Amino acid sequence: KQEVTQIPAALSVPEGENLVLNCSFTDSAIYNLQWFRQDPGKGLTSLLLIQSSQREQTSGRLNASLDKSSGRSTLYIAASQPGDSATYLCAVVVTGTYKYIFGTGTRLKVLA
Amino acid sequence: DVKVTQSSRYLVKRTGEKVFLECVQDMDHENMFWYRQDPGLGLRLIYFSYDVKMKEKGDIPEGYSVSREKKERFSLILESASTNQTSMYLCASSGQGEYGYTFGSGTRLTVV
Repeated sequence: KQEVTQIPAALSVPEGENLVLNCSFTDSAIYNLQWFRQDPGKGLTSLLLIQSSQREQTSGRLNASLDKSSGRSTLYIAASQPGDSATYLCAVVVTGTYKYIFGTGTRLKVLA
Repeated sequence: DVKVTQSSRYLVKRTGEKVFLECVQDMDHENMFWYRQDPGLGLRLIYFSYDVKMKEKGDIPEGYSVSREKKERFSLILESASTNQTSMYLCASSGQGEYGYTFGSGTRLTVV
């Protein structure tokens, strides 16, 4: 059974720091991996989608990498800002299914 | 941009009431999903549908049913609401062969 883990559960950094959020999964047979952002009391906003054949995706200050063989993905945030404060979730689609398995998220706080 | 609309942001219902949560997407997506999100438990899949009138149970279907009479609309039904169904409910959709999810903004349901 696929399990998705995100470490750390919470992270607090000063503004301007570069940071890395980690996501690991137990079954490497995935279609894709998606990173989301969730603000308190709101829905999930898609940040980056990496297909299984890709190694990384970039959008602005965000870069996500995927290493299927080791069951890992990282989300790199450059020059963090207080507006980046949110919970970040990763999710994978297991091969042969349509549905996502979610991690429990990393709660990020960027201090001004 | 794909838009997924959930009809209510906040709902308060009484124990035993029948509750309908509505979700509409505007991009002709085949797949639609209902999740609930609770602190410490993350997102858990209740039901999903990969075509009109098709439905499949997710990980926690007990106490819920769904309806998909039209491609764009996926309804979650609580037949007899109970206090343990107080939660944030999130709807998502994705296209066939394209497994990225788009989420709605969520419905915070309180059962009293």
